[in-house]
Amino acid sequence: GAVVSQHPSRVICKSGTSVKIECRSLDFQATTMFWYRQFPKQSLMLMATSNEGSKATYEQGVEKDKFLINHASLTLSTLTVTSAHPEDSSFYICSAREAAGEAEQYFGPGTRLTVT
Amino acid sequence: GQQVMQIPQYQHVQEGEDFTTYCNSSTTLSNIQWYKQRPGGHPVFLIQLVKSGEVKKQKRLTFQFGEAKKNSSLHITATQTTDVGTYFCAGPGSSASKIIFGSGTRLSIRP
Repeated sequence: GAVVSQHPSRVICKSGTSVKIECRSLDFQATTMFWYRQFPKQSLMLMATSNEGSKATYEQGVEKDKFLINHASLTLSTLTVTSAHPEDSSFYICSAREAAGEAEQYFGPGTRLTVT
Repeated sequence: GQQVMQIPQYQHVQEGEDFTTYCNSSTTLSNIQWYKQRPGGHPVFLIQLVKSGEVKKQKRLTFQFGEAKKNSSLHITATQTTDVGTYFCAGPGSSASKIIFGSGTRLSIRP
């Protein structure tokens, strides 16, 4: 099956610094990738939809200047958390669709961000 | 905005007992998907239902889509310890490309 990787799996950073998270589709091309945030024991909240070669579409309430998304190629999307604060600590998960109209989303293993 | 709710929030059962989680949407859905997330893991796609009243089975798992396409259920027969995890339903969002996850039902099992 299709595989999506994320790097890093865990990161600890200090308040005020920026952190970049990479999401890669390893064996397929993904025109669309999605970024989710998940707090402990809660559901996945969609943050943004990332389209290759164009600007990301952010969900209501998500600060686009704080969560920078770049989808530079058909296999790579990055999420940069800028000027991180402790309340940004969370589990960030990306997913990718192999083709438009495909039902299945393939999820990456997630990145645990802790801001101290 | 669109909401997808699931009940119960938690379910603790004896191994071998059945388990059911229910998903309800505030709006009619063109389709519904189900995912399973093991503790510490990421969501894994289980199935998609499209037709009104559709029922699909995967071994001990039975998925059903309501006639009005606003609700769905997942039933597990004779649970096993490997069934532990959180089960999410998900429906299309405001645009065709994205999905909105339900609140999830966490299943734990007494061996």
